[in-house]
Amino acid sequence: DQQVKQNSPSLSVQEGRISILNCDYTNSMFDYFLWYKKYPAEGPTFLISISSIKDKNEDGRFTVFLNKSAKHLSLHIVPSQPGDSAVYFCAAIDFGNEKLTFGTGTRLTIIP
Amino acid sequence: IAGITQAPTSQILAAGRRMTLRCTQDMRHNAMYWYRQDLGLGLRLIHYSNTAGTTGKGEVPDGYSVSRANTDDFPLTLASAVPSQTSVYFCASSGQGARQFFGPGTRLTVL
Repeated sequence: DQQVKQNSPSLSVQEGRISILNCDYTNSMFDYFLWYKKYPAEGPTFLISISSIKDKNEDGRFTVFLNKSAKHLSLHIVPSQPGDSAVYFCAAIDFGNEKLTFGTGTRLTIIP
Repeated sequence: IAGITQAPTSQILAAGRRMTLRCTQDMRHNAMYWYRQDLGLGLRLIHYSNTAGTTGKGEVPDGYSVSRANTDDFPLTLASAVPSQTSVYFCASSGQGARQFFGPGTRLTVL
């Protein structure tokens, strides 16, 4: 049972345009959501997060939106840059069991 | 500051052999984790440790064991490797809060 889903395995976006990566979840007990970025041959690195009590968090070019009623979050990158090409994982945690649940990842390719 | 180191970087292993993947962190984090990454399946938790001396099972623990003798080290052992354990393995740690820090990974091929 996949509690965190990323339904788009890949996404291609022109440089300078907006990239939107989506994530859906089924567990209403999740308290906190995170996005990780992964380059080939490297470990995932933390990108941005949001608490379940908020609906938006912004950090530079990266904004995460949370829609609790729809159990949906999205990561917006604007403007997209070639260095943003990577695999992006969303993750969620229920503070009751203290373990992250990851989505399957979306490979983002920024086209110069 | 190294953060988290993993060894080896990659390994090719014959089925049936025993293998230990090493993980060391220098951030004094209490919690540590082992994940495997497989195409189309994302990152799946194998085992975890909330503090030195304790361990717990994750989503896919079968065929793996861990130990946590001290805060810094969290080795993962495959007692008798099978081809389905071919994967990329990531160790991670966390202090206060949900954010986890990952090592660079070990690419394991079991033939």
